[in-house]
Amino acid sequence: ETGVTQTPRHLVMGMTNKKSLKCEQHLGHNAMYWYKQSAKKPLELMFVYSLEERVENNSVPSRFSPECPNSSHLFLHLHTLQPEDSALYLCASSQDVVTDRYFGPGTRLLVL
Amino acid sequence: AQSVTQLDSQVPVFEEAPVELRCNYSSSVSVYLFWYVQYPNQGLQLLLKYLSGSTLVKGINGFEAEFNKSQTSFHLRKPSVHISDTAEYFCAVSPTTNTGNQFYFGTGTSLTVIP
Repeated sequence: ETGVTQTPRHLVMGMTNKKSLKCEQHLGHNAMYWYKQSAKKPLELMFVYSLEERVENNSVPSRFSPECPNSSHLFLHLHTLQPEDSALYLCASSQDVVTDRYFGPGTRLLVL
Repeated sequence: AQSVTQLDSQVPVFEEAPVELRCNYSSSVSVYLFWYVQYPNQGLQLLLKYLSGSTLVKGINGFEAEFNKSQTSFHLRKPSVHISDTAEYFCAVSPTTNTGNQFYFGTGTSLTVIP
């Protein structure tokens, strides 16, 4: 595996379900990110981790819970989501927080 | 604060014609600039970036962009487009002093290449 991988690629869940998104980067980067991409909206930065420490939480609802166990892995735990949370969730990594982001292919999430 | 404006939400262009996708930014500090491409059902892929040095930056797939500090622009160009260039293009800006959350994307330009 090279670059940034994400699993699953597609996810359908009910509002009462609990699920997790997984991201893994094989680039030796020190920072990882979760973004939300909704139709007709700019990319929304959700969480930033630098050297496994959370740097920023952009007022994301608590039904989204990130976890960064090491510099190569990032999870997004989902709990009691709403239909408006349906979107493409993109993971990214970078060497440091200033430089360009390398993106994974995304998880297409549908909340019913 | 920084912001990025992509003036054109949709750009149709005929195959083998030139194209320019516009990007303007606002910032009170020095910035790095980026262009990304997103093909359907995929993540974003870096096309090119400006960090310092020459203001004309060449990227992958025949794209180039020119940093114009006085006009605060970073327009993306390609002299002859292919059908395969049909995609969404995002401009992004990051201040050189970014502490983590200051990497701003534009709203994207949808490029459609017409056969």
